[in-house]
Amino acid sequence: AQSVTQLDSHVSVSEGTPVLLRCNYSSSYSPSLFWYVQHPNKGLQLLLKYTSAATLVKGINGFEAEFKKSETSFHLTKPSAHMSDAAEYFCVVSENAGNMLTFGGGTRLMVKP
Amino acid sequence: GAVVSQHPSWVICKSGTSVKIECRSLDFQATTMFWYRQFPKQSLMLMATSNEGSKATYEQGVEKDKFLINHASLTLSTLTVTSAHPEDSSFYICSARAFPGDRPNEQFFGPGTRLTVL
Repeated sequence: AQSVTQLDSHVSVSEGTPVLLRCNYSSSYSPSLFWYVQHPNKGLQLLLKYTSAATLVKGINGFEAEFKKSETSFHLTKPSAHMSDAAEYFCVVSENAGNMLTFGGGTRLMVKP
Repeated sequence: GAVVSQHPSWVICKSGTSVKIECRSLDFQATTMFWYRQFPKQSLMLMATSNEGSKATYEQGVEKDKFLINHASLTLSTLTVTSAHPEDSSFYICSARAFPGDRPNEQFFGPGTRLTVL
């Protein structure tokens, strides 16, 4: 069975400071892992994905995530937050090549000017 | 590429009526489509998985007679909320997965449909 836990429901940072959104997963197999962003009343946009290639994954808008098997983590980072980064972020795990996605509870990122 | 659309984007209906939501893959063929439900300030919950030409597979707790899913073609799936009630008000999001071998680990999400039942 697969599951994913986002450790913070809310994260608040100042513009220009680093962002860290934490995600831990549980999986019986080698998982695929994703980060999606959702702006208010919008659908989901894929930020990045890990599918057993390089453990450090670079995504769009300056985001990156590192897959750490020993820690079962896939934390999302960005060196410098921008106001437009304020949104809901979802960490997602899939064991069977994307046929079933399990979503974390989401982290709301707030960016202060 | 890999664009998924939903129609309508927003619908308001009276209690007891039925509402149909369409999900289309615009530039690829989707062997599998998924329907999710998202309550305010909550995560997405998978409702059902549909494969083209076959019956949908519903997640536990989802009433298949209330949420009718049809996946009649490789580019279109529909979700019909029958006899809608206020508790069905939610944000419904579909996703589509392309043929195996074409970005196989990824689902492409539609923009969502907000349903409000009065």
